[in-house]
Amino acid sequence: GAVVSQHPSWVICKSGTSVKIECRSLDFQATTMFWYRQFPKQSLMLMATSNEGSKATYEQGVEKDKFLINHASLTLSTLTVTSAHPEDSSFYICSAGRASSYGEQFFGPGTRLTVL
Amino acid sequence: GDSVTQMEGPVTLSEEAFLTINCTYTATGYPSLFWYVQYPGEGLQLLLKATKADDKGSNKGFEATYRKETTSFHLEKGSVQVSDSAVYFCALSDRNFNKFYFGSGTKLNVKP
Repeated sequence: GAVVSQHPSWVICKSGTSVKIECRSLDFQATTMFWYRQFPKQSLMLMATSNEGSKATYEQGVEKDKFLINHASLTLSTLTVTSAHPEDSSFYICSAGRASSYGEQFFGPGTRLTVL
Repeated sequence: GDSVTQMEGPVTLSEEAFLTINCTYTATGYPSLFWYVQYPGEGLQLLLKATKADDKGSNKGFEATYRKETTSFHLEKGSVQVSDSAVYFCALSDRNFNKFYFGSGTKLNVKP
């Protein structure tokens, strides 16, 4: 159990367009969902944390108007990269947590975004 | 503030060698501790966890013990395989996700 999916797994888009990434908890209801960006040399950067029905809490330095997060239900969160530019190219990973998991996060497989 | 520090990599070992990846933490309260593993091109997955002091987490031959006296959660495996090549992240979290921290990751390369 505790499977998290992400869609798409990879996407290529033109500069200036918007891209939406979905994150779903398939077999559990997620108390909290998280979005990370992973840079080369493996470091993870937390972008934002969201709870269902409330606004996402963004980390310092993350532009909330550029990275729109919608936590529509207990099983779905979306990240929309608006007006994407080449510097937004990265590996985006979502995760989900539930109240009974003692702080464990369940990670999606990641989405590779390439902006041309 | 709270934090997690893990040894920098990459770590390169021959198959069947002994592995230790050090992880130390600073935290108030009683967080849970985790090791996550990331295989190339994939997301992170839980390797093992410990939710209280003196607990030992184990999985796939890997072990780590939650040591409050030394604030450590070192990852060990007695005999590594080529398939263990991956990036390993140490992490801590409280139960409500009010605070959680990841280490910077340690890349392990196992050569045949």
